[in-house]
Amino acid sequence: AQSVTQLDSQVPVFEEAPVELRCNYSSSVSVYLFWYVQYPNQGLQLLLKYLSGSTLVESINGFEAEFNKSQTSFHLRKPSVHISDTAEYFCAVTLGAGGTSYGKLTFGQGTILTVHP
Amino acid sequence: NAGVTQTPKFQVLKTGQSMTLQCAQDMNHNSMYWYRQDPGMGLRLIYYSASEGTTDKGEVPNGYNVSRLNKREFSLRLESAAPSQTSVYFCATLGRPGTPNTGELFFGEGSRLTVL
Repeated sequence: AQSVTQLDSQVPVFEEAPVELRCNYSSSVSVYLFWYVQYPNQGLQLLLKYLSGSTLVESINGFEAEFNKSQTSFHLRKPSVHISDTAEYFCAVTLGAGGTSYGKLTFGQGTILTVHP
Repeated sequence: NAGVTQTPKFQVLKTGQSMTLQCAQDMNHNSMYWYRQDPGMGLRLIYYSASEGTTDKGEVPNGYNVSRLNKREFSLRLESAAPSQTSVYFCATLGRPGTPNTGELFFGEGSRLTVL
């Protein structure tokens, strides 16, 4: 079975600073990778996903993540954060493709990003 | 457009009581999922349903049952609640294959359950 490790449980940063949230997974087969964001008292929302193609994926609000197969990582980065980015971020992985498999995710423990003014 | 709606949002039970969490979607998605979220553990899959009338176990199904009576609704039942089932429960649907939402889970706002 696969596992996902988010190396930092909390990441405090100042506004406009860069940030990296780290995610490593354990699997020797092909994987499909996701980052979800959860704002307080809400459900999770997809931030970005890697299913195939370019290993660098971007979101509409400036986040990006790079799939690194040799290092089994999918770190999330943003060059300049805003107060509104304060939330909990979850990395997730699935081995299966298509059908219901994309929804059968193994999640990491979550990283709370707090952006200070 | 409500998306994925869960009821109730909050519930307190005593050990041994039963209850059902309801989930309804208006997104016309086939696949639906129930996850539980616990601090420091991320989310874990309880049960899922590929389509109306079918259900399958996820990672942590013990103590739960589910029903998928129609395309819109997927309920989660606790027959005899235990304190270990204190958690936040999320229902989700899966975006349609071949669309920009391929692989994307759409989550409800959650149901916070406390078992005393």
